[in-house]
Amino acid sequence: DTEVTQTPKHLVMGMTNKKSLKCEQHMGHRAMYWYKQKAKKPPELMFVYSYEKLSINESVPSRFSPECPNSSLLNLHLHALQPEDSALYLCASSQSPSGSVSHTQYFGPGTRLTVL
Amino acid sequence: AQKVTQAQTEISVVEKEDVTLDCVYETRDTTYYLFWYKQPPSGELVFLIRRNSFDEQNEISGRYSWNFQKSTSSFNFTITASQVVDSAVYFCALLYNQGGKLIFGQGTELSVKP
Repeated sequence: DTEVTQTPKHLVMGMTNKKSLKCEQHMGHRAMYWYKQKAKKPPELMFVYSYEKLSINESVPSRFSPECPNSSLLNLHLHALQPEDSALYLCASSQSPSGSVSHTQYFGPGTRLTVL
Repeated sequence: AQKVTQAQTEISVVEKEDVTLDCVYETRDTTYYLFWYKQPPSGELVFLIRRNSFDEQNEISGRYSWNFQKSTSSFNFTITASQVVDSAVYFCALLYNQGGKLIFGQGTELSVKP
């Protein structure tokens, strides 16, 4: 089973709202990722968690705040977003971030975020 | 620097035609991994194949085949007898041994018409 789930599927929020995106995997993977994808563009890495610790932050603005409560869950807390933050947010997981055989990242279906 | 180039932005074919999607990569690393992902209109990125830098064997999976050539830094993907369900954006990606960062190409949008 290579399933990564994400909720909600769609989210519309105002610039003053606070919301959270949720990602879950039950494959025993120890690395989890957040990507942002604008229309007609490839995904761009935002954050990497390795063994529940933040290992990569790609200079993402502080209005995006990731959290990894346990090895199966990854959240992305959103606050004071701008309209240009509207995008598809993809979560992924893999067995380990580097240095071993399996590096395949499996992606969830994404959350389509619209900021008004 | 790590880079992936998919020169074909859009390709349109008629059902049952064969189609090849090109991917050229740049890396100074000797150990790296290459991937192809499919993204249908629903948005989910679906993993298709992984190749490591030490394995230049070509692979066939049903109607899909991949040609990895280190000499030309290419990892091309061929769909034989294309079907309408193959319509999607296809991404080639490079993973190098630096913490799990995937470098994606710009993607090729494939449209298969009946």
